Amino acid sequence: QLVLTQSPSASASLGASVKLTCTLSSGRNNHAIAWHQQQPEKGPRFLMKVNSDGSHSKGDGIPDRFSGSSSGAERFLTISSLQSEDEADYFCQTWGTGIRVFGGGTKLTVL
Amino acid sequence: EVQLVESGGGWVQPGGSLRLSCSASGFSFSTSGMNWVRQAPGKGLEWISYISAGSATIWYADSVKGRFTISRDNAKDSLSLQMNSLRAEDTAVYFCARETYDYSTPSGFFDYWGQGTLVTVSS
Repeated sequence: QLVLTQSPSASASLGASVKLTCTLSSGRNNHAIAWHQQQPEKGPRFLMKVNSDGSHSKGDGIPDRFSGSSSGAERFLTISSLQSEDEADYFCQTWGTGIRVFGGGTKLTVL
Repeated sequence: EVQLVESGGGWVQPGGSLRLSCSASGFSFSTSGMNWVRQAPGKGLEWISYISAGSATIWYADSVKGRFTISRDNAKDSLSLQMNSLRAEDTAVYFCARETYDYSTPSGFFDYWGQGTLVTVSS
């Protein structure tokens, strides 16, 4: 079964960095994932695809403050120099034949 | 500029039907896969359906299989979702989202999203 697990919430101070984690279910260490950001009352926005080797490719206009990495079954989204507009829900997403799956999302609060 | 604009949402009674549309612009719609994703109030994202560029491949989540039908009109750059036998648990904002190809294989991820249209199923 293809499942993604995210912590429900995270917080960090303005100007600091934060690392969000998305964990793939057992046996799925080779899966790539995508990160999406959803600001309040808006549609989601694609941030980047993160591969199992840690390489990542970002969406159009995504600032350099956003980066991705991997370790085993974990996929990470790091946001540096946090700004107030980074306060949002962050969803990871993966895929297989006939299925697309989302993690439960992490609500990021910028203090 | 890539744009996806959903329409057709509204209020419907349980057991009723509704048809959603997604109008695309700013990219080659006829060579892109498309998806519908929904978000119940205060909840996370749930993928519900995928259609390939030429409509040859269609997938559904178990939660909507047999009740919802995805389709597209490449001549009109338009995606649709026919929703029948609606239930209270179908209440959600419905988003359309683009999925590109890695060579001839669906990429699996959504690189552009619309703003969504709200569907409320209630008596």
